[in-house]
Amino acid sequence: QSVLTQPPSASGTPGQRVIISCSGSSSNIGSNSVNWYQQLPGTAPKLLIYFNNQRPSGVPDRFSGSKSGTSASLAISGLQSEDEADYFCGAWDDSLNGRVVFGGGTKVTVL
Amino acid sequence: QLQLQQSGPGLVKPSETLSLTCTVSGDSIDSIGSWWGWIRQPPGKGLEWIGTLSYSGTTYYNPSLKGRVTISVDTSKNQLSLTLSSVIAADTAVYYCARHSRNSGPRGPLDIWGQWTMVTVSS
Repeated sequence: QSVLTQPPSASGTPGQRVIISCSGSSSNIGSNSVNWYQQLPGTAPKLLIYFNNQRPSGVPDRFSGSKSGTSASLAISGLQSEDEADYFCGAWDDSLNGRVVFGGGTKVTVL
Repeated sequence: QLQLQQSGPGLVKPSETLSLTCTVSGDSIDSIGSWWGWIRQPPGKGLEWIGTLSYSGTTYYNPSLKGRVTISVDTSKNQLSLTLSSVIAADTAVYYCARHSRNSGPRGPLDIWGQWTMVTVSS
C-alpha cells in the first residue's frame, strides 16, 4: 500500500491531454514539494517534474505539474506514442522521522 | 557528466546479507550538499524508498526496513554501498541508487539514477 495514491492506469489517443492525479496528506504533499518520474519499459525512472511544476532541461513542455493542498497532478498535453510509460509521484514525508514516499504508479497507454 | 554505476550479486540466499555498490563518476561523493539514496522496485510493482545518506554521514531509512539496512560511503573509491541483512523473498526487486538534486537535501528530487540491479532472493 503506497503512501501516495495514484490511479493505476490512464489512457488517451495521440494528441489528447491526459491528467494523472496524486493524493497525499498534510505530512507529505501538504507540506513538501512533489516530484514526478517517468519510467519507460525496462529502464530506470527519469525525473520528469520537480518542485511541483519545474521541468528539468530536455523535458518537453507538454509535460506540466501542479499542486493544490494535499494533491498534485501531472498533465501530458499532445499525447505521443513515446509517452507510453509508468509515471510515479514522490515527495518527502515529515512523519516517522522523515522519509521519501512514492505513489503506486500510473500506467499511461496511448491508444 | 555525473554517472552512477551499480554492481553486486544477482542472487542472494534467504537469511543472508544483500550487498550492492554504486560507483559515482563525474563528482565527488562527499562534496558539500550531496545526498544519495537507494530505491527498489519489486517485480511488477511500484517504487519503494530504502534510505538516503548525506555527504556528512546523516542517514534516513525506511522505517519498514530499519534494523536490517545500512547505507554507507567509501570516499576512497567514490562509492555508495547498501547492505540489507536477513533477506527474505519479499526483498526480491530491482535496486537503484540515485542522487538527490544537489543542495536540495533529502527532500529534493532524485535527478540522477543508476542503471538497475535485479536481486533475487532464493535458495
